[in-house]
Amino acid sequence: KAGVTQTPRYLIKTRGQQVTLSCSPISGHRSVSWYQQTPGQGLQFLFEYFSETQRNKGNFPGRFSGRQFSNSRSEMNVSTLELGDSALYLCASSSDRGVETQYFGPGTRLLVL
Amino acid sequence: EDQVTQSPEALRLQEGESSSLNCSYTVSGLRGLFWYRQDPGKGPEFLFTLYSAGEEKEKERLKATLTKKESFLHITAPKPEDSATYLCAVLSFNKFYFGSGTKLNVKP
Repeated sequence: KAGVTQTPRYLIKTRGQQVTLSCSPISGHRSVSWYQQTPGQGLQFLFEYFSETQRNKGNFPGRFSGRQFSNSRSEMNVSTLELGDSALYLCASSSDRGVETQYFGPGTRLLVL
Repeated sequence: EDQVTQSPEALRLQEGESSSLNCSYTVSGLRGLFWYRQDPGKGPEFLFTLYSAGEEKEKERLKATLTKKESFLHITAPKPEDSATYLCAVLSFNKFYFGSGTKLNVKP
């Protein structure tokens, strides 16, 4: 089975711009979670989508939003970018049958200048 | 408050020198504890899932154990290629909580 894929892998933006990141889960997985990882804060949970519905949300401002499509692919959008949004954004998928392991993609490295 | 704490933050070992990494947690409704390995600039790679106290799992030089309050990742006779950051995560109800990781450096 192919793993979790994320596009693009690297991105450079300037303050005030917006960005959209994409995640394709493992085939058959219906749950997709997004995380922000920075050296100082570690892995911070952004939100989780399951069957096109946001099921859980972390403590991030409304500039961070996401959605999930009927094929379980997910996108994350960050509007009005700030310097502090520079991070590795990770997507993880699971099949959500009981207690299921999350499998991570390679991440998208975002640099905001 | 649900919390996951990993120690030590960093660990330097000589090749062949066995040691253990700790993950302590205070969460309600533990449904599973997960160990991941992360190399620089890459996504975390799944290692183990533990579901109940007393459970143990092994993979090559790694062995994970779980008690009611903490988990240990034992590394036996590590090699330089085991150098990475090891992350612990806990699933409580429907939310994952991650520790800040232990950065392991194994010198030849």
